[in-house]
Amino acid sequence: SAVISQKPSRDICQRGTSLTIQCQVDSQVTMMFWYRQQPGQSLTLIATANQGSEATYESGFVIDKFPISRPNLTFSTLTVSNMSPEDSSIYLCSVENLEGGNTIYFGEGSWLTVV
Amino acid sequence: RKEVEQDPGPFNVPEGATVAFNCTYSNSASQSFFWYRQDCRKEPKLLMSVYSSGNEDGRFTAQLNRASQYISLLIRDSKLSDSATYLCVVGGSGTYKYIFGTGTRLKVLA
Repeated sequence: SAVISQKPSRDICQRGTSLTIQCQVDSQVTMMFWYRQQPGQSLTLIATANQGSEATYESGFVIDKFPISRPNLTFSTLTVSNMSPEDSSIYLCSVENLEGGNTIYFGEGSWLTVV
Repeated sequence: RKEVEQDPGPFNVPEGATVAFNCTYSNSASQSFFWYRQDCRKEPKLLMSVYSSGNEDGRFTAQLNRASQYISLLIRDSKLSDSATYLCVVGGSGTYKYIFGTGTRLKVLA
């Protein structure tokens, strides 16, 4: 499985500010995925990031709020913009392992609390 | 109807017990099925894929019933360390999109 590193691992942010989360993978991958897990909820896909093209956002998520970069095949960033307390969540970067069953692996997550 | 549904639990079982979870999915075209385990304040980790013929990994057995559109996870001889939330994940055919259930909480009691 791929090794996925995320940072920051956790942060407390002021309302109205923005925070960028970084995700580094130890191998080249075509697609990287950003998920959100709000307290007590399951994971929701925010967007898919392909290298060299704009990210594809899921219903309910927009680029202005969650801009994503994908400058190369091993790195991506997700920015949470103009944060409000409702953005307090775990944000998870993941990649797909196409060998042996299309499974997905997650980074350790970034725990954001907006105050 | 949710795309993937699980009983949230919690399931409180004594050590050594056998426990089973079910998960139903709504998209009959789904092709990939998984169980993930998520510990408190940790990321989900793959527990096992679920194959059409069913599969076993030690104390864990997963099964798929396409006709009734559900998958199951059976844990035998429960250990304290099995306490976690178990997420059912369903993937579409030819698509990257994975749908997560809300998870079933298991607490194994000494």
